[in-house]
Amino acid sequence: EVQLLESGGGLVQPGGSLRLSCAASGFTVSTYSMNWVRQAPGKGLEWVSYISSTGTTINYADSVRGRFTISRDSARNSLYLQMNSLRVGDTAVYFCTRVHSSSSLDCWGQGALVTVSS
Amino acid sequence: SYELTQPLSVSVALGQTARITCGGNNIGSKNVHWYQQKSGQAPVLVIYRDTIRPSGIPERFSGSNSGNTATLTISRAQAGDETDYYCQVWDSSTVLFGAGTKLTVL
Repeated sequence: EVQLLESGGGLVQPGGSLRLSCAASGFTVSTYSMNWVRQAPGKGLEWVSYISSTGTTINYADSVRGRFTISRDSARNSLYLQMNSLRVGDTAVYFCTRVHSSSSLDCWGQGALVTVSS
Repeated sequence: SYELTQPLSVSVALGQTARITCGGNNIGSKNVHWYQQKSGQAPVLVIYRDTIRPSGIPERFSGSNSGNTATLTISRAQAGDETDYYCQVWDSSTVLFGAGTKLTVL
């Protein structure tokens, strides 16, 4: 069964850092393009970052560029999101998602809650 | 930059047909995907590439895409369909979501 499981969320003060992990099972992360998508409380879905299957293309939303870094580890079959200089506005549930060959996001993790507050 | 426009809310009578639109400039030239998200849960893909249902999605869900509007159609609406729906496209290796539509089943 194809599954994604996020971890690493929590409460952090403004200006702090946090690293989210997304462990994949049932497929190999390095053979798929992957995304991070977030959802602030009571709000809609917001795309955060993308990494291509080859790793040669990486993109970020303007709101996080320069502060967040997406990466993956083939040995651990995992995707990561390093979040630095966190702001109150970054408070959200963060989902990792797989990109299907159809270009749809066909598999989503259950989400990790990140709360940025003093 | 490209933008997607969804109505904030749509209402449908129980057992009737609901149509949720997603507007964008020449969106008919793009592949549109639709997600259903229930409260406290991750989104679930219900339509991909405009019209295709993933396995496990009821036949009541269908999609179309032409010109400047893509549409998610839910036939014989049930109480369990009452939740949020998002359209999604790609634009230059970035993912774009519509703002989401809250479907109410009366």
